[in-house]
Amino acid sequence: SAVISQKPSRDICQRGTSLTIQCQVDSQVTMMFWYRQQPGQSLTLIATANQGSEATYESGFVIDKFPISRPNLTFSTLTVSNMSPEDSSIYLCSVATSGRAEQYFGPGTRLTVT
Amino acid sequence: GEDVEQSLFLSVREGDSSVINCTYTDSSSTYLYWYKQEPGAGLQLLTYIFSNMDMKQDQRLTVLLNKKDKHLSLRIADTQTGDSAIYFCAESINGGFKTIFGAGTRLFVKA
Repeated sequence: SAVISQKPSRDICQRGTSLTIQCQVDSQVTMMFWYRQQPGQSLTLIATANQGSEATYESGFVIDKFPISRPNLTFSTLTVSNMSPEDSSIYLCSVATSGRAEQYFGPGTRLTVT
Repeated sequence: GEDVEQSLFLSVREGDSSVINCTYTDSSSTYLYWYKQEPGAGLQLLTYIFSNMDMKQDQRLTVLLNKKDKHLSLRIADTQTGDSAIYFCAESINGGFKTIFGAGTRLFVKA
């Protein structure tokens, strides 16, 4: 299985600021995803991070608010921009390899916006 | 649209079997998954089943898939207190490029 790390593991931020979350995988993967899990809720897909091209965003999520980078096959970042208390959530990185069923998740980044 | 539904709570006694149920709407699912989330932790992939299978067994875990009724279940045999967690059902669609999650079932195991 893939080993995924995320930094930071948690943060408390002031409204109006931005936070960049990093996701590192120990092996090359085809697909990297970013999810949000609001308190007591299920997971919602924000976007698929594509290597070498712009991320693919789900309905309700836009690049200006959640810019994503994926410079190579093992690393991605998600930025939460101009934060408000409604952005308080756990943000999870996930990876999968084309042709394989398994999708693995990182430990998550717990963000609190005050 | 795509939707995955689960009951929110299940309580069992230690040593009994637990059965967690899930229904989904997208008939083009490729894989269906069960994940476990313990408090303050990320999601752990427990098991998955390919959409053309109807059963998969892995130690204490048995997954049953009724594709006609779009119903998935997870049976945990000899449930232990360490099995207390939230269990998420999920389906992959669009050839595996998107995964839809249910709301999660919180399993309580009483000693």
